[in-house]
This record gives sequence, structure tokens and C-alpha cells, in this order.
Amino acid sequence: EIVLTQSPGTLSLSPGERATLSCRASQSVSSSYLAWYQQKPGQAPRLLIYGASSRATGIPDRFSGSGSGTHFTLTISRLEPEDFAVYYCQQYGSSSWTFGQGTKVEIK
Amino acid sequence: QVQLQESGPGLVKPSETLSLTCTVSGYSISSGYYWGWIRQPPGMGLEWIGSIYHSGSTYYNPSLKSRVTISVDTSKNQFSLKLSSVTAADTAVYYCAKFTYAYVAFDIWGQGTMVTVSS
Repeated sequence: EIVLTQSPGTLSLSPGERATLSCRASQSVSSSYLAWYQQKPGQAPRLLIYGASSRATGIPDRFSGSGSGTHFTLTISRLEPEDFAVYYCQQYGSSSWTFGQGTKVEIK
Repeated sequence: QVQLQESGPGLVKPSETLSLTCTVSGYSISSGYYWGWIRQPPGMGLEWIGSIYHSGSTYYNPSLKSRVTISVDTSKNQFSLKLSSVTAADTAVYYCAKFTYAYVAFDIWGQGTMVTVSS
């Protein structure tokens, strides 16, 4: 089973700042099979990025994803008030799905 | 527009079986896609429980496999989760979701339902 480790656990930033979130895999993950989700309190997760770097429908272009192999990154270029939330990476492989433990982006 | 809605008891006694149903609207389950269950204990992260293909093939989290059964009822356009021998550690919000191979991601989620395991 592939384990995803996200860092940092919490990111304290101000609106307008840049956020860089990391997702590391215990073994190589196909870039096509790496996704990112945003979750706000009391809500279901929302798909942000699929295929490591493609934005899902309706996702603003301030969100971008990159990476390959065992290291992937989600970048929010300029934080808007609505971006403060928890972010999860997720991988799929061999008919098995795993999630990272999440990174909370909080207002500084 | 595809929508998913979880339903089932909000309280289950320890050692009993948790049963939830996800009703899909706006799309026929029998037409395709994987359909999954994911849970989130209070204040914690997301855990994949298992998935079912529209044909009925199932895939389970190895850590839960011995206790999980996921099935599909195409006549009702629903899929279901059964988790046996529950303990307090199974207390969580349970989500159903649609997995789209084009994205290789869960692109549509239900709102989630809270299940508490307590006597």
C-alpha cells in the first residue's frame, strides 16, 4: 500500500501570500493518478487538481499542481479568504486508493 | 447533474453492523464508473473504505477488508456499505463518491452522514 505524507501539517499565512503544500509518496506514483482536494469545515471534499497538474472544472487558475514520482506539490499563488481550508492529496493504483493526512491552511 | 445522497442510521451499537446507502441521481449506475465510500473520523483525515465498479467488482481497503461489504442495486440506482463488528473507532462522517477514470479522482461527493458507534 502506498502511503502519502503531507507537509507541513499546518500552514499559517496571510491573504495574498503564496502557499506551497507538499505530498510525498512511499513509492512512485503515476502522475496521472495523483489528485488534490479542498475541504472546508462541515463540507465534503472538493476535487481541485487531477493528473497531478490539471485543474478540475471551475477551479481558479491561482491553484496549480506539479510533481512526479514520489513528490508532488500544490501551489496557491495568492491566497484568497475562501482558500483557507484543509487540503488532501490522493493517489490511485492497483485498484486501491489512499489519501494523505491533510495540510491545514490557516489565516495568520 | 450527478448527485449523491447518503442515508442510514446515525447511531449504531458496538459489535453491530453499520449499514449505509448512497442514492445516485442524474446518472444511471449501470452505465459505468466506480463508486466509493470514504470516511472521516471527527477532527481527522480521509480514509478510503472501498469501491465498487458498476459491474459489481469490489475493491476494499486492506485494513478494513475483513469487515466491509459494498454492493450495488442498479434497479434502485443505489450502492451500499456494510461494516460489521463496529467499535467506537468506526465513528465518523461517511461519504459516498463517484470516481471518474477520466480524472482518476473522486469528482462528485455526497454531503456525508455522521455515524456514531455507542451503546
